[in-house]
Amino acid sequence: DVKVTQSSRYLVKRTGEKVFLECVQDMDHENMFWYRQDPGLGLRLIYFSYDVKMKEKGDIPEGYSVSREKKERFSLILESASTNQTSMYLCASSFSDRAYGYTFGSGTRLTVV
Amino acid sequence: EDKVVQSPLSLVVHEGDTVTLNCSYEVTNFRSLLWYKQEKKAPTFLFMLTSSGIEKKSGRLSSILDKKELFSILNITATQTGDSAVYLCAVMEYGNKLVFGAGTILRVKS
Repeated sequence: DVKVTQSSRYLVKRTGEKVFLECVQDMDHENMFWYRQDPGLGLRLIYFSYDVKMKEKGDIPEGYSVSREKKERFSLILESASTNQTSMYLCASSFSDRAYGYTFGSGTRLTVV
Repeated sequence: EDKVVQSPLSLVVHEGDTVTLNCSYEVTNFRSLLWYKQEKKAPTFLFMLTSSGIEKKSGRLSSILDKKELFSILNITATQTGDSAVYLCAVMEYGNKLVFGAGTILRVKS
C-alpha cells in the first residue's frame, strides 16, 4: 500500500518563524509535489520535483522554498511565516511515466499567529 | 492560463437523490482528467478519464468526458450520507502536473 506521510497533522507557528513541513513516500516515486488548499480556491501548486535535488516552481512559490536531498523526502520551507500562509498543505507523489495522478498525504493544517 | 472550473461550488441534497457535478477545463497539454473525493484528509482517487464518451462506473458513481466541449460530469445516484465530501476535478498535463478546480462541497442529509 502506497504511503505518503506528512510529519505533522496540525501545526501552530508564530509570524516570522522558519517552518519546515516534511513529506516522505515509500513507493520510489520520482515525482513529488506540494500544494496548499484554501476554501473556494481548491488545490494550488507551490513547488514540485521530478528527481533528487531537482525543483520547479509551481503557481504560487512566493514565500516558500523546497528541498529534495533524497528521493523519498520532499520538504517545504516557509522562510518567514506570515498569517496569509495559514492553510492546509498537501504533499503528493507519483511515478513519472503514468497518467494516474497522485497519491496524497493526509495534509498538515498550519496556523500562523 | 490553464484553468479548471467546477460547478456548483456546493449543494445539499437528501439521501436517495441523484446529483451531477460539473467540471470544465481549459488546459494547453491535456493528458487526462481525474476525479477525487476528499473527506477529512487526503483526496482519494475516483476516476481517470482520457477518452471522450466512454463512461467509467464504480458502484453508484459514474463519470464521462467530452474532449470536444472540454468538460466532464460526475454522477452519484441514490446518494447516502457517506457521500458527503468535497469532490475535486483535476486535469493532468503532459509533465504530470495536475491542475485542480476549486471543488464541489456535497452534503447529503438523512
